Parts: sequence; structure tokens; C-alpha cells
Amino acid sequence: AQKVTQAQTEISVVEKEDVTLDCVYETRDTTYYLFWYKQPPSGELVFLIRRNSFDEQNEISGRYSWNFQKSTSSFNFTITASQVVDSAVYFCALEETSGSRLTFGEGTQLTVNP
Amino acid sequence: NAGVTQTPKFQVLKTGQSMTLQCAQDMNHNSMYWYRQDPGMGLRLIYYSASEGTTDKGEVPNGYNVSRLNKREFSLRLESAAPSQTSVYFCASMRMIGTGGNTIYFGEGSWLTVV
Repeated sequence: AQKVTQAQTEISVVEKEDVTLDCVYETRDTTYYLFWYKQPPSGELVFLIRRNSFDEQNEISGRYSWNFQKSTSSFNFTITASQVVDSAVYFCALEETSGSRLTFGEGTQLTVNP
Repeated sequence: NAGVTQTPKFQVLKTGQSMTLQCAQDMNHNSMYWYRQDPGMGLRLIYYSASEGTTDKGEVPNGYNVSRLNKREFSLRLESAAPSQTSVYFCASMRMIGTGGNTIYFGEGSWLTVV
């Protein structure tokens, strides 16, 4: 069965620091998709990125970057020069094509202090 | 451009009471989902509906029922609420294209407390 593990329950950094959120997944599928969602204090879930299992290129979007390593089954998320507005819970999720359902990790609470 | 709308946003129930959480999406998506979010456990799938007229159990279906009323609407019913059902509930929808990797869009959440 698929599983997503976010071992970091809480991370606290000072503004402008870089921070990496870890995500490790388990799946038997050879084709699958990985996602990151952000949940700010207001509660809604905001889609950040989708990556398919055949595309191991790292992606950068502004201050956000994602490192996908199939060899270690990891899909880590880095925020560069963090800001207070980055404070949120971040969820990593896995979709196996066989089920078309998302399996979420436990989430990482990121707090960026001024 | 409402996206996924769920109601109510907040509800307090007494143990044994029943209630229905309503969800509607205006994106013409065929798949809809109900998740619950509990501290330290991420989001867990309760039920989903891959298309109008079909529903399937997810990871934690016990104590819940669902109805896919039409393509737009997917409701979640608690027949006899229990304190263990205190949680934040998220409705979501997705337009299935191809074999996967489609983005799921979430509603704003419904905070349910059972006392």
C-alpha cells in the first residue's frame, strides 16, 4: 500500500533562513504523481506543485524549489529566504495511477519568525 | 469563480445527532472526495465518487454515508455523531484526464465538533 511520511512535525526558522521540508514515499506503482499542498492558518488547502514519476528534474518557482529523487523515494521542498507569510502546514501527497486517490503525509508545521 | 464550496463552515453537534455536510463544485469535475483532517494524521479519505452515480469507501468510512446527488454535489452524512468524529472535513474535486496526475481542488473546510 502507498504511504507518505513527513518526519518533521514542526519546524521553526527565522525570517530569511532557507528551510527544507522532507517527504518520503512508498509505492509499488512505477507510474505515480507527487504533490505538495500548503495550508495557511486560514485553513484552506492550496495546491503548490505536481510531479510525475518519470520527471526527475528539479523545479524552481520563485523562492520555492523541489528536489525529486526516485532512488531515495523522496520529494523534498525547499523555501529560500523564508518569509513570515510562509508560515503554514505543508502536506506532501502521493497519487498512484491505479487508484487515482491522494495519500497524504502527516504534514509539517512551518513557523517563520520575524 | 467559486470552485469547491462546502457548508457549514462550523458546526457543534451533540453525541447521537445527525447532520449532513454539503459540497458543490462548479468546475464540471467528475470526481469528488471527502477527507477528514486530524492533528498529526494528515488528511484521510472518507469516501469518494469517481463519477456521478458512483461512490466508494476510502480509508476511514465507518460512521459516514455519502450521496452523489448530481455531478456538482457530493454530500457527507453523519447518522449518529460521535466525539471521535470531531475533525475538520474537506471536500475536494478533480477532473479526471488520462491516467493520473490531475490536480485536486479543495474546499475551505468544515470544522465539526461533537460533544
